[in-house]
Amino acid sequence: EVQLVESGGGLVQPGGSLRLSCAASGFTFSDHYMDWVRQAPGKGLEWVGRTRNKANSYTTEYAPSVKGRFTFSRDDSKNSLYLQMNSLNTEDTAVYYCARGSTGTATEFDYWGQGALVTVSP
Amino acid sequence: DIVMTQTPLSSPVTLGQPASISCRSSQSLVHSNGNTYLSWLHQRPGQPPRLLIHRISNRFSGVPDRFSGSGAGTDFTLKISRVEAEDVGVYYCMQATQFPLTFGGGTKVEIK
Repeated sequence: EVQLVESGGGLVQPGGSLRLSCAASGFTFSDHYMDWVRQAPGKGLEWVGRTRNKANSYTTEYAPSVKGRFTFSRDDSKNSLYLQMNSLNTEDTAVYYCARGSTGTATEFDYWGQGALVTVSP
Repeated sequence: DIVMTQTPLSSPVTLGQPASISCRSSQSLVHSNGNTYLSWLHQRPGQPPRLLIHRISNRFSGVPDRFSGSGAGTDFTLKISRVEAEDVGVYYCMQATQFPLTFGGGTKVEIK
């Protein structure tokens, strides 16, 4: 069974940093692209970015709203995905989901984690 | 960025009756490789989204056949042939043809 479990969420002050983790199981993690998607309270979904697999040199894509502040990484030996968030502001308050890209070029997200809540507040 | 516009915002439906959601993109979703990367997701309250339909019309594993997707270019539709109680929630379309990936604003389906 495919499982994705996010952790590391919490309350942080504006300007602060936080690191989220996503632990994967039930599939060959190293084969897949992995993305982050966030959802502000009561709002819709917003794509945050992507980390490709080793075969594609672990290259990344970032949404303009987070580029330069957020950094994606992964450790295939630990079946884990990471999201380092710096210079956080109140607009970053959201539930952050990790999502598995479907086999191949990840043109859809076939499995999602339960999400981790990040609250940015003074 | 490609803007995805969904209508209606809300859709009250009677159990057993059909429902239809429209999604329009600000530019064609046909990729240079000829594929169209438009998917539909469903989110129940308090739950993460789950994939329903990918590449316009392909149902994901385990998705009931009362769900169907259609469309081309910039206009797409999700149809539920007979709404069941478990179908309530918010439906999103998503494009993965071009970065940044973008979602529609969501359509809330509720039972009358």
